Amino acid sequence: EDKVVQSPLSLVVHEGDTVTLNCSYEVTNFRSLLWYKQEKKAPTFLFMLTSSGIEKKSGRLSSILDKKELFSILNITATQTGDSAIYLCAYFYSGGGADGLTFGKGTHLIIQP
Amino acid sequence: DVKVTQSSRYLVKRTGEKVFLECVQDMDHENMFWYRQDPGLGLRLIYFSYDVKMKEKGDIPEGYSVSREKKERFSLILESASTNQTSMYLCASSAWAHGTGYNQPQHFGDGTRLSIL
Repeated sequence: EDKVVQSPLSLVVHEGDTVTLNCSYEVTNFRSLLWYKQEKKAPTFLFMLTSSGIEKKSGRLSSILDKKELFSILNITATQTGDSAIYLCAYFYSGGGADGLTFGKGTHLIIQP
Repeated sequence: DVKVTQSSRYLVKRTGEKVFLECVQDMDHENMFWYRQDPGLGLRLIYFSYDVKMKEKGDIPEGYSVSREKKERFSLILESASTNQTSMYLCASSAWAHGTGYNQPQHFGDGTRLSIL
């Protein structure tokens, strides 16, 4: 069963719009939640969230984690065509001497001029 | 900047062949990972390693094995390639943040698009 669920799976908006991408997770031994942006090649790291309620910002992107409700959101304001990508959410777990990352299926974001 | 290098960008092999995918990182990271990415399925973890000669199964290890003889190199091996192993393979590495209990974010290579005919 899916342990990381991202929504929506795809989204088409116009330049200048604000978008909110959602990520919910179900896991034991949660350590942190990560957001990645994937264009044509490999995912590039955006944010790592470990504490509830503390917003992380980088330019027009921001993200926040709610550990009680087990979800995170990624906001992008004043979107640009260069924001078109697949946005991946992943949780990092730790337990039994081993660690790992489990990814959601991603949200395919398309920004139209 | 962290550099994760995968040996091949595109690879075409035949069913039944033994296939090696190589990954090298230059940041002395303890952890290395192999994923495959398929449309509609997202990124799925095959194997990972948190130290030289150590390996752990991920979510989909069947049909694969790995080797980590040196810290900087992590190899993924398809023992007898099958058509359902046609996929994009991504290698990643991360550092263990000593004292925090957390691993640092993973950095990915550019991927190897493997086709099994």
